[in-house]
Order: sequence, then C-alpha cells, then structure tokens
Amino acid sequence: DVKVTQSSRYLVKRTGEKVFLECVQDMDHENMFWYRQDPGLGLRLIYFSYDVKMKEKGDIPEGYSVSREKKERFSLILESASTNQTSMYLCASSLAGTGAIEQYFGPGTRLTVT
Amino acid sequence: AQKITQTQPGMFVQEKEAVTLDCTYDTSDPSYGLFWYKQPSSGEMIFLIYQGSYDQQNATEGRYSLNFQKARKSANLVISASQLGDSAMYFCAMRGRFSGGGADGLTFGKGTHLIIQP
Repeated sequence: DVKVTQSSRYLVKRTGEKVFLECVQDMDHENMFWYRQDPGLGLRLIYFSYDVKMKEKGDIPEGYSVSREKKERFSLILESASTNQTSMYLCASSLAGTGAIEQYFGPGTRLTVT
Repeated sequence: AQKITQTQPGMFVQEKEAVTLDCTYDTSDPSYGLFWYKQPSSGEMIFLIYQGSYDQQNATEGRYSLNFQKARKSANLVISASQLGDSAMYFCAMRGRFSGGGADGLTFGKGTHLIIQP
C-alpha cells in the first residue's frame, strides 16, 4: 500500500526557531512536493524535488528551504519561523512523468508558531 | 500564469441527488492536465479523477465524471447519486505551471465544501 508519512501531526514552535518538517515515502517515487494549506486559499506549492539533491521553487518559497539527501526523504526547513508560517503543511510524492500522474499525500503537519 | 477558480465556497445537497462542482481555469499552455481531489474532515487528500487537455473524451471514474469544456476553460466535477460519505472539501488542480525534471507541481483552487444532507 502506498504510504507517505510526516514526522508530526501537530507542532508548536516559537518565533525565530529553526523548524524541520520531515516527509518519508516508501513507494520509490522520484518526485516529492511540499504544499501549505490555509483556509480560503487552498493548497499552494512551496518547493518540489525530482531527484536526490535537486529542488525547484514553487509558488511561495520565501522563508523556506528544502533538503533531499535520500530518495525517500524530503525535508522542509523554516530557517526562522514566523507567525505567518502558522499553517497546515502537506507533503506529496509521485512517479516521474507528465500526464495522469497522481500525487500521493501525507496526513499533514499542523504547525503553530507563537 | 495558471489560475484555478472554484466559485462555490460551500454547497448543501440532498442525499442521492447529483452534484456539480464548478472549476474554471486559465492557462496559455496548450498542454495541461486537470485533477480533482477530495479532502474529508480527517484531512487526507484523495485523488478522484484526471483530464488531460488532449483527451478526446470526458474522464469518468465510478460515480465521478468530469464535464470538460475546453473552449470555455471549465472542468466541472459531477458526482452522481450522492452519498453521506461524499461530504468533504473538493479541490480542482492543474499541472503544468511548476515543472522540472519530470515533476509537475500542482496549482490548486480554493476548494468547495460539500455537505450531503440525509
């Protein structure tokens, strides 16, 4: 069964802290994605990766960085957390290619920055 | 730039009725694809259906079908014979704006909250 796991369901951090959100997939997928979901805004793409050590910016990369050292793991890093980064963060993975390539999502991490 | 518009923030529908969720899109790319995802209150995103811009026929998947009108740039989701378990957020999404190395990040609409009433 396809599985994408995220390290925490809920996380509370203080302003200015460095925050790591971890995502692991067990499907040998080439592609991995990070989105944030906010009420009334839908999901917005932060970064994605198509191979180890490769990354591309999405719609809202400011304030975030990513790391992909192993194929199965994709980390989202908030260098200095701010209150406007309080959100639900969703990780996804997919096979390589275009067309009807489904993205498989993890359960999400609800991050609160105080 | 790509844009997805879902104009129905919320909908109430009687059980067993058919439901149409609206989605319009804007893109200048001749090659694109449209997805619909369901997000129940538990939070997981569930893939429902896909339509490619060059597909000749409207996509269908069980009770889900996609009413694809390319000239009008609309890709409405139709759910036949709605069930209580269909209550969820529904998102329309497009691939093609964020591409690199064989990966396609998605652009999502704001979603429609569908509630099925008994």
